[in-house]
Amino acid sequence: SQELEQSPQSLIVQEGKNLTINCTSSKTLYGLYWYKQKYGEGLIFLMMLQKGGEEKSHEKITAKLDEKKQQSSLHITASQPSHAGIYLCGAAPGSQGNLIFGKGTKLSVKP
Amino acid sequence: DAGVIQSPRHEVTEMGQEVTLRCKPISGHNSLFWYRQTMMRGLELLIYFNNNVPIDDSGMPEDRFSAKMPNASFSTLKIQPSEPRDSAVYFCASSPRPGLQFFGPGTRLTVL
Repeated sequence: SQELEQSPQSLIVQEGKNLTINCTSSKTLYGLYWYKQKYGEGLIFLMMLQKGGEEKSHEKITAKLDEKKQQSSLHITASQPSHAGIYLCGAAPGSQGNLIFGKGTKLSVKP
Repeated sequence: DAGVIQSPRHEVTEMGQEVTLRCKPISGHNSLFWYRQTMMRGLELLIYFNNNVPIDDSGMPEDRFSAKMPNASFSTLKIQPSEPRDSAVYFCASSPRPGLQFFGPGTRLTVL
């Protein structure tokens, strides 16, 4: 079965600093989804990557998909306290629409 | 739209009791997912439905767990009898298309 490994598990950065979170799949990626979770809340969809080399940005968050490496990265520029939370990557193991998720990366941003 | 609605938000019960978690998906979404989240195991898919039909329940831990979706606007996850190791946050999510899921706020279950 497919597994997603995220690194690092947790990250503490100073406000204003850049950071990168990685997600590596044990199998070929046909699509990669990034979600964010705040403590005590459900996951919120951030963005979806479907093609090798694809890059998407939303505000100060940029995600890239490297199909050959079976990997995706999430980059935050000039981090702010509002970026704090748990970032999870998800992938579809088949065509039915269900997702498997990595265990998440907990991000803390110090003001 | 109010988003995915889950109830209760918190549930504390004693071992052996029956627990029923409820979910109202977003109107028009044809897929519904039940997840369980713990520190140790992360987010695990328990079961999902397409057009009210269970597609894959291989994630359901054991026979103590059951899920139903009697219509497009309601689903339940039942645990009977509950055990302390079932303590977790249970999420329901609905989806209009593959990969894009909208999560409810979750139900925090504590089994004493």
